[in-house]
Amino acid sequence: EAEVAQSPRYKITEKSQAVAFWCDPISGHATLYWYRQILGQGPELLVQFQDESVVDDSQLPKDRFSAERLKGVDSTLKIQPAELGDSAMYLCASSLVGGTANTGELFFGEGSRLTVL
Amino acid sequence: AQRVTQPEKLLSVFKGAPVELKCNYSYSGSPELFWYVQYSRQRLQLLLRHISRESIKGFTADLNKGETSFHLKKPFAQEEDSAMYYCALRGYNQGGKLIFGQGTELSVKP
Repeated sequence: EAEVAQSPRYKITEKSQAVAFWCDPISGHATLYWYRQILGQGPELLVQFQDESVVDDSQLPKDRFSAERLKGVDSTLKIQPAELGDSAMYLCASSLVGGTANTGELFFGEGSRLTVL
Repeated sequence: AQRVTQPEKLLSVFKGAPVELKCNYSYSGSPELFWYVQYSRQRLQLLLRHISRESIKGFTADLNKGETSFHLKKPFAQEEDSAMYYCALRGYNQGGKLIFGQGTELSVKP
């Protein structure tokens, strides 16, 4: 069964260092999402891609976070420099289509847990 | 502002008891509501959506626009229902963007 792949599963870093997370969505899924989940809270959308284009990055802290999906397939989320408050689970999800045809079913990866010391 | 509120962090019931996980939302238009579930050591996954009016694993949820609620119900809880449950909202014409609540942990005791 096709699944969303993410790496690394765990990352421990010191503040001010750079961190990168990778996501490979389910093959054929046009829409890719990066969510951040702070412990005890629900997932919060950081950025949404439709193919290689950013559809929504309104909640992405653009002074330190960047995301790309160059060929419209896999994606990378980067944090530079990391801060203590960035400690969270970073979830990648994908869906078959975007826009009004989207059913609302997102397929999530296992997540990348970041700890900033 | 769009917001989803799940007032209970933890709900503990005994096997066979009825379950109701509460979800209230704030949205000015016509939202779509969903319940997602995360079982232990598994990925977050869709449980059900209001538009489908379906029962999944014995769970149902009715959208009450007057009370702006979308509570998840099951008449007889099973131990395998123990999990984190997240209510989520999507605004009209907003594609796949989901706004999640804080989540409720359901613990079903034997």
